[in-house]
Amino acid sequence: DGGITQSPKYLFRKEGQNVTLSCEQNLNHDAMYWYRQDPGQGLRLIYYSQIVNDFQKGDIAEGYSVSREKKESFPLTVTSAQKNPTAFYLCASRQGGDTGELFFGEGSRLTVL
Amino acid sequence: QKEVEQNSGPLSVPEGAIASLNCTYSDRGSQSFFWYRQYSGKSPELIMSIYSNGDKEDGRFTAQLNKASQYVSLLIRDSQPSDSATYLCAVNIINSGNTPLVFGKGTRLSVIA
Repeated sequence: DGGITQSPKYLFRKEGQNVTLSCEQNLNHDAMYWYRQDPGQGLRLIYYSQIVNDFQKGDIAEGYSVSREKKESFPLTVTSAQKNPTAFYLCASRQGGDTGELFFGEGSRLTVL
Repeated sequence: QKEVEQNSGPLSVPEGAIASLNCTYSDRGSQSFFWYRQYSGKSPELIMSIYSNGDKEDGRFTAQLNKASQYVSLLIRDSQPSDSATYLCAVNIINSGNTPLVFGKGTRLSVIA
């Protein structure tokens, strides 16, 4: 089945460690996005990529990094520079065009111990 | 600054009633509008999209768009306890390629049996 796969679903890390969240899609979508969601809050955009080998910062990019070496993959690294990384992370993708709907993966929940 | 505003709720309705969820947006260039449902701990799922003024119906759901007043609403008829979730409104500007949707913070709906 076509979709977006995020891994791991749950991740624990110690302070000072970098972690990488995986996002893979087989929908042949051009654009991919990373959002962060905190309890009771909406979605905040971290990074997005409209095409391979190109990406743009979102509203809260500090402390995060991404790469887009393949169309299917858009991994997110949460670095030690991110002061409050405990959150629910959502990867999404979208087909090109003006009315393209956004599809989400199941999310990755990161907890910093 | 593009903004999407929603009442955070909780909005409580009795089972079988109509739930009315509202969303306003600031950018007059907005052309595509989406409603997502998010259960606690899960990722958002698309339930409705609307692109032109008026009503769009899909089963128990009706989306209403009024571009002149810059609001979009979602009606849920015959509300069920399973409809209890947070509903996110998202807005896109047409002809903007794959730039990210702007999300509201969501309205929490509680359907009381």
